[in-house]
Amino acid sequence: QKEVEQNSGPLSVPEGAIASLNCTYSDRGSQSFFWYRQYSGKSPELIMFIYSNGDKEDGRFTAQLNKASQYVSLLIRDSQPSDSATYLCAVNHSSASKIIFGSGTRLSIRP
Amino acid sequence: GAGVSQSPSNKVTEKGKDVELRCDPISGHTALYWYRQRLGQGLEFLIYFQGNSAPDKSGLPSDRFSAERTGESVSTLTIQRTQQEDSAVYLCASSLDRGTDTQYFGPGTRLTVL
Repeated sequence: QKEVEQNSGPLSVPEGAIASLNCTYSDRGSQSFFWYRQYSGKSPELIMFIYSNGDKEDGRFTAQLNKASQYVSLLIRDSQPSDSATYLCAVNHSSASKIIFGSGTRLSIRP
Repeated sequence: GAGVSQSPSNKVTEKGKDVELRCDPISGHTALYWYRQRLGQGLEFLIYFQGNSAPDKSGLPSDRFSAERTGESVSTLTIQRTQQEDSAVYLCASSLDRGTDTQYFGPGTRLTVL
């Protein structure tokens, strides 16, 4: 089992709809959770981080964390073509003090 | 302020040659990571430096790979006797303090081994 798992996609969502990206992790001791966006040919950039159970909203983005079920998700409201990218979930490794990245979900917003 | 910088941006080399990739982290960032990303793949952790602690080398794929960092500044990733499967983008990231903080990525070095 991979430490951080994501569906590779592609996930195709119509413009204006809600895109839902999911991530599960195996380390129950993980405390820090991150979502990065990576455009093709570019480096990853941070979108959001979340530390506590529940929802965290920032503009059109909402991160959701459920530690009991060991999943973290990212919702993108009012999806735009510019949201088309690969979204990487990252989780801290509680015993090694380092971040583990998932392999990413490719999101495509169709006009 | 300046972000993470990497050099060169592109490197083409012949199989069997050694290459050195450089990373300049954001000033004041004590944690530094190296990742490898093959075309269409996710980030593969290579090595992690945190301040003056011994680096976490658990991700280095073979003994042909090594990395150094002087204090909390520049890091160099060296690949000896390059192979075609080493072709990838090599990304460096730094974070302010602990390795669990937000990472800021450099633009990467695209390595092509012919």
